[in-house]
Amino acid sequence: KQEVTQIPAALSVPEGENLVLNCSFTDSAIYNLQWFRQDPGKGLTSLLLIQSSQREQTSGRLNASLDKSSGRSTLYIAASQPGDSATYLCALTSGTYKYIFGTGTRLKVLA
Amino acid sequence: NAGVTQTPKFQVLKTGQSMTLQCAQDMNHEYMSWYRQDPGMGLRLIHYSVGAGITDQGEVPNGYNVSRSTTEDFPLRLLSAAPSQTSVYFCASRWDRGSTGELFFGEGSRLTVL
Repeated sequence: KQEVTQIPAALSVPEGENLVLNCSFTDSAIYNLQWFRQDPGKGLTSLLLIQSSQREQTSGRLNASLDKSSGRSTLYIAASQPGDSATYLCALTSGTYKYIFGTGTRLKVLA
Repeated sequence: NAGVTQTPKFQVLKTGQSMTLQCAQDMNHEYMSWYRQDPGMGLRLIHYSVGAGITDQGEVPNGYNVSRSTTEDFPLRLLSAAPSQTSVYFCASRWDRGSTGELFFGEGSRLTVL
């Protein structure tokens, strides 16, 4: 059974720091992996989507990588800002219809 | 472009009451789904649909019912609410049934069952 783990559960960093969020999965047979941001009391906002044939995707200060052989994806945030404070979730699908989510990393960027 | 719209945003029910959570999308997405989010457990799939008239169960379907009569709407019904169904419910949709496109979420419906 596919399991998705995000460690650490919470992270606090000073403004301006570059940081890496981790997402690990147990079964390498995935179709794609998506990173989301969730602000308190809000829905999930899509950040980056990586197809199984891709190694990385970039959007602005965000870069997500995928290494299926090691069962790992990382989300790199450059020059962090207080506005980046949120919970970051990863989700993957091994079939076309069902997604499995990690429990998220709660990020706080201190001004 | 409204995206995925959920109503109501907040609801309080008594045990045994029934209600329907509404979800509508205006992106012509074939795939729609319902998740519940509980502390420490992440998001879990309740039901999903790959088109009008086609639905299937997810990981935690018990106590919930769905139907899909149009492409735009995918309501979630609680037939007899229980305190264990207190949660935040999210509707999500995707562009087409066959590919692995981007998943879009609504803002959530916060349900409390007393």
